[in-house]
Amino acid sequence: DAKTTQPNSMESNEEEPVHLPCNHSTISGTDYIHWYRQLPSQGPEYVIHGLTSNVNNRMASLAIAEDRKSSTLILHRATLRDAAVYYCILRALWSPGLHNTNAGKSTFGDGTTLTVKP
Amino acid sequence: GAVVSQHPSRVICKSGTSVKIECRSLDFQATTMFWYRQFPKQSLMLMATSNEGSKATYEQGVEKDKFLINHASLTLSTLTVTSAHPEDSSFYICSARRQQETQYFGPGTRLLVL
Repeated sequence: DAKTTQPNSMESNEEEPVHLPCNHSTISGTDYIHWYRQLPSQGPEYVIHGLTSNVNNRMASLAIAEDRKSSTLILHRATLRDAAVYYCILRALWSPGLHNTNAGKSTFGDGTTLTVKP
Repeated sequence: GAVVSQHPSRVICKSGTSVKIECRSLDFQATTMFWYRQFPKQSLMLMATSNEGSKATYEQGVEKDKFLINHASLTLSTLTVTSAHPEDSSFYICSARRQQETQYFGPGTRLLVL
């Protein structure tokens, strides 16, 4: 499995932008980059995903390096509700006949605990 | 996003009993469902992957006879922890996905085995 590396923790002030980095130097060409976040005692919540191009949605932006060996999740204005553990995950493309036993699975690393200060 | 539910949200049982946890995709048909386990202050650990109508694929080190998974329909998967022991106490989380689409997670089930 391609692995991801994230800082254990980060702090941000409320209403300021937050840049959460993720390194995935062994990413393969068929790996999508997914971000989820998890609040205590809850299941992970989907945030955003991408393959090569930068992506934006209502929750965040995802900036993907040109060589795809790293990516950055950007929260444009952090709120107290954004405090969570953020996971960067690589998920291999799955399709019938593609002989990759890891395809389609999401393997979680340790994630980054984001603290937002008021 | 899509909605995935789990039931029960928490369960307490005696050692040696079996516990069944249900996972439902409420507004889409999930071709694949996943079961994870999470211990306190740790990340999620994938236990098994199940496709509708076929046997689940278990991750290395996960006992398939202890953690029975049934994915009988495109909207329901169940995880049964057989003969539960205190070391099985954990937070169990399911997720569901339709083909190549985004994977959505349930709210989790807290299991406490006394």
